[in-house]
Amino acid sequence: SAVISQKPSRDICQRGTSLTIQCQVDSQVTMMFWYRQQPGQSLTLIATANQGSEATYESGFVIDKFPISRPNLTFSTLTVSNMSPEDSSIYLCSVEDLSDTQYFGPGTRLTVL
Amino acid sequence: EDQVTQSPEALRLQEGESSSLNCSYTVSGLRGLFWYRQDPGKGPEFLFTLYSAGEEKEKERLKATLTKKESFLHITAPKPEDSATYLCAVQAVRGAQKLVFGQGTRLTINP
Repeated sequence: SAVISQKPSRDICQRGTSLTIQCQVDSQVTMMFWYRQQPGQSLTLIATANQGSEATYESGFVIDKFPISRPNLTFSTLTVSNMSPEDSSIYLCSVEDLSDTQYFGPGTRLTVL
Repeated sequence: EDQVTQSPEALRLQEGESSSLNCSYTVSGLRGLFWYRQDPGKGPEFLFTLYSAGEEKEKERLKATLTKKESFLHITAPKPEDSATYLCAVQAVRGAQKLVFGQGTRLTINP
């Protein structure tokens, strides 16, 4: 399976600021995704990061709040904009291999004060 | 709307005490059902994919089964290192690879 890394692993941010999370994969993949895991909750898909085109967002998530870049087949970024304490979560990227299995990165733990 | 419900929310067992975790689902055409293990502070680790009713997969002390409405993760003679949160997720045929997750079962194995 692909090896996925995320930066930063954790951060503490002030309300109103923005944080960009990076996801790097050790091999080329077609499908990359961003999920959110709120405290004590399960995972919710934010968006699919499409290479060369705009991301596809799930209901309840908008591009202005969570802009995503996907410049190539091994890298993606998720920005959490104008943060509030409600954005405190673990943010996870995942990639899908040819067997339609999704593998997850280690996550970025974000705390907003 | 696709939904996944896992039970119990938490389960505490003694080492060697076998049990099962349940994942009930409703989906408009199942493409696949996935089981993951998540340790505290880490991302989910893939365990199994099941595609059709009657299918079974095994890995060490874990066995996953699938019916048309639910999946079970059977844990045989568990060890303390099996302690983790186990997540179930479904992928619909028309869901564009989206995974819909349940809330998870937090499993603790006492030595």
